[in-house]
Amino acid sequence: QVQLQESGPGLVKPSETLSLACGVSGGSLNGHFWSWIRQPPGRGLEWIGYVYHSGSTNYNPSLESRVSISVDTSKNQFSLKVNSVTAADTAVYFCARHGAGAAIYFDSWGQGALVTVSS
Amino acid sequence: DIQMTQSPSSLSVSVGDRVTITCQASQDISNYLNWYQQKPGKAPKVLIFDASTLETGVPSRFSGSGSGTYFTFTISSLQPEDIATYYCQQFDNFPITFGQGTRLEIK
Repeated sequence: QVQLQESGPGLVKPSETLSLACGVSGGSLNGHFWSWIRQPPGRGLEWIGYVYHSGSTNYNPSLESRVSISVDTSKNQFSLKVNSVTAADTAVYFCARHGAGAAIYFDSWGQGALVTVSS
Repeated sequence: DIQMTQSPSSLSVSVGDRVTITCQASQDISNYLNWYQQKPGKAPKVLIFDASTLETGVPSRFSGSGSGTYFTFTISSLQPEDIATYYCQQFDNFPITFGQGTRLEIK
């Protein structure tokens, strides 16, 4: 069974870059789409964007100017960068795998990584 | 963006209750609608995709229905482990969007 694990700094200063990686074990990146989703404390879920194993991407327009998602098949991981962060970017960041087939749903998730933006 | 509006935002329930949550889309999304369960401190878990298809391993007391702009999610007989927040999610158009969530609380 595939497992996902987020890693990266838990504290980022305002105006700096948030960087997270999602390691995938028990399965391959190939043939799947992989997304980042975030959840501010006590609030709902926001889809950030996805990357395919080939490297093609799709981003939420609300974040597109500041976000980059990439894939590293040699390490079996994919990564998220968010530039110019503010307190509004404080959230639990989840990485997730898209299910197989035409439906776009998230069938496997990481445990989540809390990232706080503060000086 | 397609706006997803869930109702109610919270619900006080008892074990054994039949629970129904609704999700309304701001435009027609056909059956491109999924439901998730999230427990505190945990990642969401998909229960239903394509509006009514039960994910493998999910108990049959969970069900979903609807198409177009109006969808319902039902727990036929609430169990203690079902206390959680439930989210709908559309995938008809990008960006993918979620409802604001419905939190179940024990009465």
